[in-house]
Amino acid sequence: DVKVTQSSRYLVKRTGEKVFLECVQDMDHENMFWYRQDPGLGLRLIYFSYDVKMKEKGDIPEGYSVSREKKERFSLILESASTNQTSMYLCATRGQGFGYTFGSGTRLTVV
Amino acid sequence: AQSVTQLGSHVSVSEGALVLLRCNYSSSVPPYLFWYVQYPNQGLQLLLKYTTGATLVKGINGFEAEFKKSETSFHLTKPSAHMSDAAEYFCAVTYNTNAGKSTFGDGTTLTVKP
Repeated sequence: DVKVTQSSRYLVKRTGEKVFLECVQDMDHENMFWYRQDPGLGLRLIYFSYDVKMKEKGDIPEGYSVSREKKERFSLILESASTNQTSMYLCATRGQGFGYTFGSGTRLTVV
Repeated sequence: AQSVTQLGSHVSVSEGALVLLRCNYSSSVPPYLFWYVQYPNQGLQLLLKYTTGATLVKGINGFEAEFKKSETSFHLTKPSAHMSDAAEYFCAVTYNTNAGKSTFGDGTTLTVKP
């Protein structure tokens, strides 16, 4: 069965910290995505990558960056965490047929 | 820009009743269409999808959806609700461009009453 693994289910970080959220897939998919999910706002795309070292901004990239050095790993970086980045973060990959496979999510709290 | 509208952020049904969750998209070009389900504190799971071919598609857990081009709709239905169907449901559209990134609706929370 295909898998998308996010390294942490819950994280608590302090304001100003640099935060790394890791996502690893075992499906050899080229396309990977980072979304954040907030009540009443649905899922909003932060960044996506369609190949190694290739990335594009999504709808809300401010305050975030990404890294994709290897095909299976897509990292989301919060350069200086702020309280308004408290959210659920979801990583996804896309295979043939355009459906996504999601990880279990990381619930980040910035205090 | 593509957009997805889910009518009703909360839907409540009795166990055994029909489930109907509405989804409309705005586009002149028919997209690929998806429904996902999210249980508490989990990621999203694909329920079903429409890409080409038959407009009535069946998914997991007894759900199905019908693509109606004339109405730009892709409503999700299930004939008889079960308590385990209580979850949040997301409709999404994707086009065969831009790495196939999806645009999601805001979600509909389904409550099933005993």
